[in-house]
Amino acid sequence: SQTIHQWPATLVQPVGSPLSLECTVEGTSNPNLYWYRQAAGRGLQLLFYSVGIGQISSEVPQNLSASRPQDRQFILSSKKLLLSDSGFYLCAWIGQGGLSLHFGNGTRLTVT
Amino acid sequence: DAKTTQPTSMDCAEGRAANLPCNHSTISGNEYVYWYRQIHSQGPQYIIHGLKNNETNEMASLIITEDRKSSTLILPHATLRDTAVYYCIVRSSGGSNYKLTFGKGTLLTVNP
Repeated sequence: SQTIHQWPATLVQPVGSPLSLECTVEGTSNPNLYWYRQAAGRGLQLLFYSVGIGQISSEVPQNLSASRPQDRQFILSSKKLLLSDSGFYLCAWIGQGGLSLHFGNGTRLTVT
Repeated sequence: DAKTTQPTSMDCAEGRAANLPCNHSTISGNEYVYWYRQIHSQGPQYIIHGLKNNETNEMASLIITEDRKSSTLILPHATLRDTAVYYCIVRSSGGSNYKLTFGKGTLLTVNP
């Protein structure tokens, strides 16, 4: 069966520090991968999506970046965090020909 | 993707049916209607999807109007654990439609 792993579950980082959040998917190949962010009390905002290794589409201009070094690995990064980067970050995947989107358990990031 | 409109919030008594509406008047012929829910501090969970016909699974029923411009998610016997934000989205089944965007959803509160 397919599973998605996201870590860490919670993270507290100072302003100006770097960020690296990792997401891996098991049990499937060549999935479409997504990063969403949810600010407190807000809806889900699509940040990045990827249809293959090295292929990244950005939805919102910001100081975040994403990379897909391997088929089932999706990484969200920042060189210098801002206070406004605080939020709940969710990774998701959908299989080729699949119809439903599957989410990880998320990382709650607090920038202080 | 076609835009969806949902009420901001709804209440339901425990044990009664919860009927959550969604308008998607600009839906195109090849777009499916999907429902997800997000319990506080968790990743969204897939509930059900449909194209034209009504659908039912172990979680819920989906009623789609004949003109497909609106749909209703039905939780037949709501429990306290069904309190969550419910998202209705529409997307096509394939092609180059890789973007999946969520609106603000409906906060369903099930009361004892």
